[in-house]
Amino acid sequence: AQKVTQAQTEISVVEKEDVTLDCVYETRDTTYYLFWYKQPPSGELVFLIRRNSFDEQNEISGRYSWNFQKSTSSFNFTITASQVVDSAVYFCALSGGNTDKLIFGTGTRLQVFP
Amino acid sequence: DTGVSQDPRHKITKRGQNVTFRCDPISEHNRLYWYRQTLGQGPEFLTYFQNEAQLEKSRLLSNRFSAERPKGSFSTLEIQRTEQGDSAMYLCASSLGTAFSGNTIYFGEGSWLTVV
Repeated sequence: AQKVTQAQTEISVVEKEDVTLDCVYETRDTTYYLFWYKQPPSGELVFLIRRNSFDEQNEISGRYSWNFQKSTSSFNFTITASQVVDSAVYFCALSGGNTDKLIFGTGTRLQVFP
Repeated sequence: DTGVSQDPRHKITKRGQNVTFRCDPISEHNRLYWYRQTLGQGPEFLTYFQNEAQLEKSRLLSNRFSAERPKGSFSTLEIQRTEQGDSAMYLCASSLGTAFSGNTIYFGEGSWLTVV
């Protein structure tokens, strides 16, 4: 069975702090994809990144970076120098096998205070 | 902006009434998905379409729920005889190809349903 665990329910930081959101996944598939989405108060899920199971290179996009480690089945997300606009709920998701659906974690609510 | 659009954004209905939500996907996206999200939870898959064909339905989709995509463009999700447990946000999404091939799934802003 596929499963995504985001153990951190809520994180609060002060602006300019770095913060890491954890994501641990379970799957028996050898080929799979991992995603991160951001959900601001408006409700829309905003796509942030997609990573396939064969690409373990870390990725950096501006203040965002992602650390994918197959050995620990983790796909963690770091925001450097956080800003108030980063406040949102962040979801990690998994797709794989022959099913065309995303399995989401329960999300981590990030609050960045000025 | 030509993202996924959903209508209505909010709906309050009395228990037992029927409600219908509409979703317009991104133009030319052949895959369309419906998810449901309750407070404090991640989205849960309900169903998806490849063009007008409904290819998979979750066990969450009881017989009171029906989704259609008649012309392979917009889709509707109808809930009959609503129950308080149906209160949730219903998210629509679309993609140009399959999720398991790594195509990005783009979500709309969701339709909030409150059953009183």
